[in-house]
Amino acid sequence: SQTIHQWPATLVQPVGSPLSLECTVEGTSNPNLYWYRQAAGRGLQLLFYSVGIGQISSEVPQNLSASRPQDRQFILSSKKLLLSDSGFYLCAWTQGDWGEKLFFGSGTQLSVL
Amino acid sequence: AQKVTQAQTEISVVEKEDVTLDCVYETRDTTYYLFWYKQPPSGELVFLIRRNSFDEQNEISGRYSWNFQKSTSSFNFTITASQVVDSAVYFCALSERLAGRRALTFGSGTRLQVQP
Repeated sequence: SQTIHQWPATLVQPVGSPLSLECTVEGTSNPNLYWYRQAAGRGLQLLFYSVGIGQISSEVPQNLSASRPQDRQFILSSKKLLLSDSGFYLCAWTQGDWGEKLFFGSGTQLSVL
Repeated sequence: AQKVTQAQTEISVVEKEDVTLDCVYETRDTTYYLFWYKQPPSGELVFLIRRNSFDEQNEISGRYSWNFQKSTSSFNFTITASQVVDSAVYFCALSERLAGRRALTFGSGTRLQVQP
């Protein structure tokens, strides 16, 4: 069966520090991968998605970047964190074309102080 | 403009009451999918249902039911005889074929609190 792992679960970082969140999927190949962010009390905002290795689509211009160095690995990064980067980050995956349901990781709560 | 609108920010009910969560969507596409997800306090999103735009039949799953009406662009979710374990944030989402991307657009969510 397929599983998705996301870490760390909680992260507290000072403003200006770098960020690296990692997500891996097991039990499937060539998944579509996604990073969503949920600001406190707000909905889910799509940040990046990837349909293959090295293929990254950005939804919102911002202080963040994403990379997919391996088929089932998706990394969210920042060189210098801002206060506004605080939030709950969720990785997700799906298989196939549009319209498929997403399977979500357990999320990372990021607090930038 | 919001593609998925969940106007109810927060709803509080007493256990055993019925509650309906509203979802209104906007799309020019004739082919699309609608979803509901549940986010319990643990944070992970749990898939509840997917409905395609050609299937307007209402669906019932235990205490959960969904009412899809294309004429009003709504996909409402009803919990019958609510329980404390239903307390969570519920998200409605849309996937459009013509959008050209394989991602879901989520509403802002409705926080449901079920009091014992």
